[in-house]
Amino acid sequence: DGGITQSPKYLFRKEGQNVTLSCEQNLNHDAMYWYRQDPGQGLRLIYYSQIVNDFQKGDIAEGYSVSREKKESFPLTVTSAQKNPTAFYLCASSITGGRNQPQHFGDGTRLSIL
Amino acid sequence: KQEVTQIPAALSVPEGENLVLNCSFTDSAIYNLQWFRQDPGKGLTSLLLIQSSQREQTSGRLNASLDKSSGRSTLYIAASQPGDSATYLCAVMGSSNTGKLIFGQGTTLQVKP
Repeated sequence: DGGITQSPKYLFRKEGQNVTLSCEQNLNHDAMYWYRQDPGQGLRLIYYSQIVNDFQKGDIAEGYSVSREKKESFPLTVTSAQKNPTAFYLCASSITGGRNQPQHFGDGTRLSIL
Repeated sequence: KQEVTQIPAALSVPEGENLVLNCSFTDSAIYNLQWFRQDPGKGLTSLLLIQSSQREQTSGRLNASLDKSSGRSTLYIAASQPGDSATYLCAVMGSSNTGKLIFGQGTTLQVKP
């Protein structure tokens, strides 16, 4: 089945540690996105990529990094510089990054601090 | 700066009732507005996408309307069922052609049998 796979489902981070969240899609979509969701709030955009080897900062990129070496993969690294990383992280993709293209979401990764 | 607001934050209705969820946005320069459903601990499922040139979209028991001039959208759910219980999020795509969405905080709906 086509879709977006995020792993792991739950992740714990120690102080000073970098952690990487995986996002893989087999939809052949060009554009991919990372969002953060805090309790009782909507989603906020961290990074997005409209094409392989290119990505742009979203509204809350500080403390995060990404790469887009393959069309199907868009991993997100939460660095030690992100002081409040506890949140639900959602990855999405769309056919292109243009308007009027619905975004398809994975099931998310919940990150907590130990 | 675009801001999206959803009222109410939570809603509880008896099964079978017709209901309306509200979404408002501050900047009318949008390309589209999307409604999503989110089940607890899960990702988002796209329900309806209304392009800026459209007034409404329908899918089954769902109907979404868009009034750009007043900065409002409504999601109408007919004959609600317990399976409709979820959080409903609206999001707008602004004037930049990046696919970037600005989300509201969501309305959590509970439909009681």
